[in-house]
Amino acid sequence: DSGVTQTPKHLITATGQRVTLRCSPRSGDLSVYWYQQSLDQGLQFLIQYYNGEERAKGNILERFSAQQFPDLHSELNLSSLELGDSALYFCASSVRGTVNEKLFFGSGTQLSVL
Amino acid sequence: QQPVQSPQAVILREGEDAVINCSSSKALYSVHWYRQKHGEAPVFLMILLKGGEQKGHEKISASFNEKKQQSSLYLTASQLSYSGTYFCGTGGLAGNTPLVFGKGTRLSVIA
Repeated sequence: DSGVTQTPKHLITATGQRVTLRCSPRSGDLSVYWYQQSLDQGLQFLIQYYNGEERAKGNILERFSAQQFPDLHSELNLSSLELGDSALYFCASSVRGTVNEKLFFGSGTQLSVL
Repeated sequence: QQPVQSPQAVILREGEDAVINCSSSKALYSVHWYRQKHGEAPVFLMILLKGGEQKGHEKISASFNEKKQQSSLYLTASQLSYSGTYFCGTGGLAGNTPLVFGKGTRLSVIA
């Protein structure tokens, strides 16, 4: 158990819908990352937050948004869903959000868009 | 920029050795290695930092060649438990740039 909690574990929805994925980092970790994993692309970095502020942004679509709340949990919002958004979404956390720290990954949310 | 991993997949018999390579077109500050078993989250193996030396974890070790912007993961005397997908993640010189992962190398160890 990494200490990072993601909910829900599975999500099935239809095209055009909006969903929210939730992540609670390990106790004491200030930084949260979101990654998308699909079969052919590996782990794609979406966005990083540190202590409530956006720190870095990757290839995140405009239909996707995220935020980190004062209690440090984070939510990833996906809207106008398309079939291609089906993937495993991982949240990870670290203490300071620097590249010399290891990441602790949650167990992921499997999103299926039908 | 996504680092390139090779090979994409490898099959080993128990006790055999393997090397997984990771290369980047950008100057690197750090290289991370993670292992993901089927249906599970990636798990940290080790970090190599700029100016660092080879590191080890059980019978798994890695090296980081800063000049070539490459890292290699060495698995010796492989065990069935080593099966999984190995990802390298690279961090840029800015230090605060987020990790970018390669597409992964699928390792299968058979009896």
